[in-house]
Amino acid sequence: QVQLVESGGGVVQPGRSLRLSCAASGFTFSSYPFHWVRQAPGKGLEWLAVISSVGSTIAYADSVKGRFTISRDDSRNTLYLQTTSLRADDTAIYYCAMEKDIRSSFDYWGQGTLVTVSS
Amino acid sequence: QSALTQPASVSGSPGQSITISCTGTSSDVGSYNLVSWYQEHPGKAPKLMIYEGSKRPSGVSNRLSGSKSGNTASLTISGLQAEDEADYFCCSYAGSSTFVFGTGTKVIVL
Repeated sequence: QVQLVESGGGVVQPGRSLRLSCAASGFTFSSYPFHWVRQAPGKGLEWLAVISSVGSTIAYADSVKGRFTISRDDSRNTLYLQTTSLRADDTAIYYCAMEKDIRSSFDYWGQGTLVTVSS
Repeated sequence: QSALTQPASVSGSPGQSITISCTGTSSDVGSYNLVSWYQEHPGKAPKLMIYEGSKRPSGVSNRLSGSKSGNTASLTISGLQAEDEADYFCCSYAGSSTFVFGTGTKVIVL
């Protein structure tokens, strides 16, 4: 069955960097586009970034453009989000999500990893 | 990339119908039939409930239905049940491979 497992979250000081990972299993990873979505405590969902299958198309939300980088390693079945210059308002649960059976929708999600930016 | 606008909360009694609106712009909701809706229970990951505006994934109750008029999409839950109490988020494709979520609506079953 499809499994998406995020890791790499934790407490980090403002201005520092963190790399989040999303390990996938149960399907052919290389065939699908993946997204990162976050949710600040008590707030709504915010779409952050997408990477297409083979990585030919990448797009970002304006709020993270230039600071966050999405990438994938199809040999490791893993999605990444490199976050830099972290700010307090980046504190959130970060989810990886995929368009698997339904395009332009997120039909599978991981359980999320919490990033807390605090001094 | 401004968030789509949803009411903060909507409430109803068991058995009633409720409708959640999701208002965007001509650059997102109004331009594409690619609005999806997600249900989120506390501490859980979001779950896809409606895609392409009005289609239900396998396993989702037919008490949920979606529609769109102009720049506003809507989610209707009929025959409201206690298990429907959750947060609901709309999401629209916004062009250039980007997406935008709604502000979220808390559904309260009285």
